[in-house]
Amino acid sequence: QSVLTQPPSVSGAPGQRVTISCTGSSSNIGAGYDVHWYQQLPGTAPKLLIYVNNNRPSGVPDRFSGSRSGTSVSLAITGLQAEDEADYYCQSYDSGLSNVVFGGGTKLTVL
Amino acid sequence: QVQLQESGPGLVKPSQTLSLTCTVSGGSIRSGGSYWSWIRQYPGKGLEWIGSIYYSGSTYYNPSLKSRITIAADTSKNQFSLNLSSVTAADTAVYYCARRSSGWFVDYWGQGTLVTVSS
Repeated sequence: QSVLTQPPSVSGAPGQRVTISCTGSSSNIGAGYDVHWYQQLPGTAPKLLIYVNNNRPSGVPDRFSGSRSGTSVSLAITGLQAEDEADYYCQSYDSGLSNVVFGGGTKLTVL
Repeated sequence: QVQLQESGPGLVKPSQTLSLTCTVSGGSIRSGGSYWSWIRQYPGKGLEWIGSIYYSGSTYYNPSLKSRITIAADTSKNQFSLNLSSVTAADTAVYYCARRSSGWFVDYWGQGTLVTVSS
């Protein structure tokens, strides 16, 4: 059971917009700790997608964006493409656990 | 472009020590603001932070694993390593070495190596 809660799966048609939520608590996201997102394509290592809430590394399309509100954050993907089909993970820090924590991951299916 | 490569046995017997090495290329492990880290991913896909080391030798360990792990760095070889003692089947996972930034996000990952604990 992950400290950060993500939906197991989401889906959308090409061109659509999807969002993936990541819900935490007052000891992690709610405490103001930064949240980062990773994309993991099948059979590969995770790749940094969004860092410090809503910043994209060089090479990541602006179709990907992050937002936060209270104890939750969201990853939005617009203009969905087949190549976006992957697992997505959120990550933050938890002061109660004194540890880096991950969400359980969300599988995005492009219909 | 920093690249990381894990190496070590793919099969470890229960109660023994899992030992992995990460070789860093394209950058120095002595670079400031870089925390050299180990992360594992269980077969069911969950990710778990294991720990990090700074080139000065300062370490940060997952409290739930602290009693069993040692992370060390060899700056002369631009490598860092993980030892996880008293392993059980629950330690079976893909182990990644990675670079964690001072902002606590991971910007470079190794390709990962599957370690199976079985007799």
